[in-house]
Amino acid sequence: EDKVVQSPLSLVVHEGDTVTLNCSYEVTNFRSLLWYKQEKKAPTFLFMLTSSGIEKKSGRLSSILDKKELFSILNITATQTGDSAIYLCAVEAYIQGAQKLVFGQGTRLTINP
Amino acid sequence: GAVVSQHPSWVICKSGTSVKIECRSLDFQATTMFWYRQFPKQSLMLMATSNEGSKATYEQGVEKDKFLINHASLTLSTLTVTSAHPEDSSFYICSARRTGAVYSGYTFGSGTRLTVV
Repeated sequence: EDKVVQSPLSLVVHEGDTVTLNCSYEVTNFRSLLWYKQEKKAPTFLFMLTSSGIEKKSGRLSSILDKKELFSILNITATQTGDSAIYLCAVEAYIQGAQKLVFGQGTRLTINP
Repeated sequence: GAVVSQHPSWVICKSGTSVKIECRSLDFQATTMFWYRQFPKQSLMLMATSNEGSKATYEQGVEKDKFLINHASLTLSTLTVTSAHPEDSSFYICSARRTGAVYSGYTFGSGTRLTVV
């Protein structure tokens, strides 16, 4: 069964801290791994990763994929209260002849001032 | 670019009635759209894949007759929750996949919060 597992499920830190969110996966016919940030409504796209070892950066956020060990991490440095959200990891895969996203449970990140 | 509009954003209905949710791709054509359900503090669960001009593909455990999906055009997919019951109360989100996009190509609607009373 295809699955995506995120850890931790919940994380509370102080503003300015650095956090690392984890995502491991087991899927057949892997195509890409995506990170999303979800606040109150729809998820917003952060990163798409297809190749191992290539870090993607956007401001204080960065992410990297290890296709050998089947995991990805999302780093956020110098966290701010606006980073509080649920962070979703999803793997795009061909499942039963169709291209789909399989989501992890999400990590609920809370940044306290 | 790549905007997906979902309507309504919230709806309250009586038990036994049906509710229709629309998902439109505003500036691109989407041959495939996806419908997800999200319970409080849980992740997105794929319900079905909506294919333009053909039948939807439902995930295991999702009742086809209860969650009717229609994808009549390249920019519109609808999800109808028939004979809704309180246990159908949830957050429903659609997404559309834009082929050939530079990034992931998956754009999400803003979601519909359904409450059945």
